[in-house]
Amino acid sequence: QKEVEQDPGPLSVPEGAIVSLNCTYSNSAFQYFMWYRQYSRKGPELLMYTYSSGNKEDGRFTAQVDKSSKYISLFIRDSQPSDSATYLCAPSGGSYIPTFGRGTSLIVHP
Amino acid sequence: DTGVSQDPRHKITKRGQNVTFRCDPISEHNRLYWYRQTLGQGPEFLTYFQNEAQLEKSRLLSDRFSAERPKGSFSTLEIQRTEQGDSAMYLCASSRTSGNNEQFFGPGTRLTVL
Repeated sequence: QKEVEQDPGPLSVPEGAIVSLNCTYSNSAFQYFMWYRQYSRKGPELLMYTYSSGNKEDGRFTAQVDKSSKYISLFIRDSQPSDSATYLCAPSGGSYIPTFGRGTSLIVHP
Repeated sequence: DTGVSQDPRHKITKRGQNVTFRCDPISEHNRLYWYRQTLGQGPEFLTYFQNEAQLEKSRLLSDRFSAERPKGSFSTLEIQRTEQGDSAMYLCASSRTSGNNEQFFGPGTRLTVL
């Protein structure tokens, strides 16, 4: 079993939909939780950063962490075609080196 | 802030050849990371530097791989005697040591070993 599990998708939604992306992990030492977005043939870019359990909102994006169940979520409201990308969850421990999931491919069609 | 740059963007080589990639981090960042990413997978950590010191290496980094950051600025990743299994995207990232250690990634070098 990998340390970080993500459904690879693809997840296809219509423009304007609410998107829910999820990730599970097994390492209890993880305390920093990040979501990266990666467009095709580009490097990942940090989208959201959360420390410990709880919610964090940034514009149309909300990150949610439940450490008790080792479950991480990213919600995208009012999804746009420009949100079409691969979303990587990446928790880390004290070393700050993230362990990446395989990513979920999201397609938002007009 | 010109971002993280990597050179070359693409490299095609024959099995058994040596290849070297370069990464130029964001100038004020003292941490530099190398990752490898294959199709359909997330990036896998290879190694990282704080200034010129190589502080951690993954078990994925075989003896054929070596990385340097001689003056604490740019870094090189060399792969000796390349194998077909080395074909991947090699990503470099940099960060400050303070704050949340947000890593900024470069565009990557895509290696194809024939």
